[in-house]
Amino acid sequence: QSALTQPASVSGSPGQSITISCTGTSSDVGGYNYVSWYQQHPGKAPKLIIYDVSSRRSGISNRFSGSKSGNTASLTISGLQAEDEADYYCTSYTSSSPHYVFGTGTHFVFGTGTKVTVL
Amino acid sequence: QVQLVQSGAAVKKPGASVKVSCKASGYTFTSYYMHWVRQAPGQGLEWMGIINPSGGSTSYAQKFQGRVIMTRDTSTSTVYMELSSLRSQDTAVYFCARDLRGDYLFDYWGQGTLVTVSS
Repeated sequence: QSALTQPASVSGSPGQSITISCTGTSSDVGGYNYVSWYQQHPGKAPKLIIYDVSSRRSGISNRFSGSKSGNTASLTISGLQAEDEADYYCTSYTSSSPHYVFGTGTHFVFGTGTKVTVL
Repeated sequence: QVQLVQSGAAVKKPGASVKVSCKASGYTFTSYYMHWVRQAPGQGLEWMGIINPSGGSTSYAQKFQGRVIMTRDTSTSTVYMELSSLRSQDTAVYFCARDLRGDYLFDYWGQGTLVTVSS
């Protein structure tokens, strides 16, 4: 499976809103509601922030929101803050089975990643 | 609290093998799948494979088929990732990540292990 396409970089000023797109196909993003988003600060492990397209993980600020339209998912960060400067990755689980069945191949793809810069 | 603690950095010569460990604590080890994800310097995230700690079933990304072996030791709640025939392009940080629901949703990550392949 090909990687999901994200813009290499997005920037915004503190307090502004930015949106990161994640474009796939009808075989991944468009076909399933298993899109997730991860935030990764330099030198750190990724951190889950959004799952199932628009569900926010417990403890994650409501400034983060997710959505999907057709084959493109989006992550919006509102009220941009300095601490939001990081890399962001989308992912898509691509199986009709809600629980992975071993022996059925690979049903997952990462996005290419987006560097968010707070100006 | 859930913790995934990985082994330390390693330096290997081309053609050698490396085995990275990931010790889990704070939850029932056999109840959650575990994944391995790697990240080359300055690059994005790359999924390598998945292991079921309960029965030991595995599934690997096609790119790593024949070169990677994932195992687990239930007595110590540890999963292992062994990568063989190392080349310079395998220089990366390797992460283990717990799968929350069995659909490639990574809720907890190890701290990462840097593997450097150099002659």
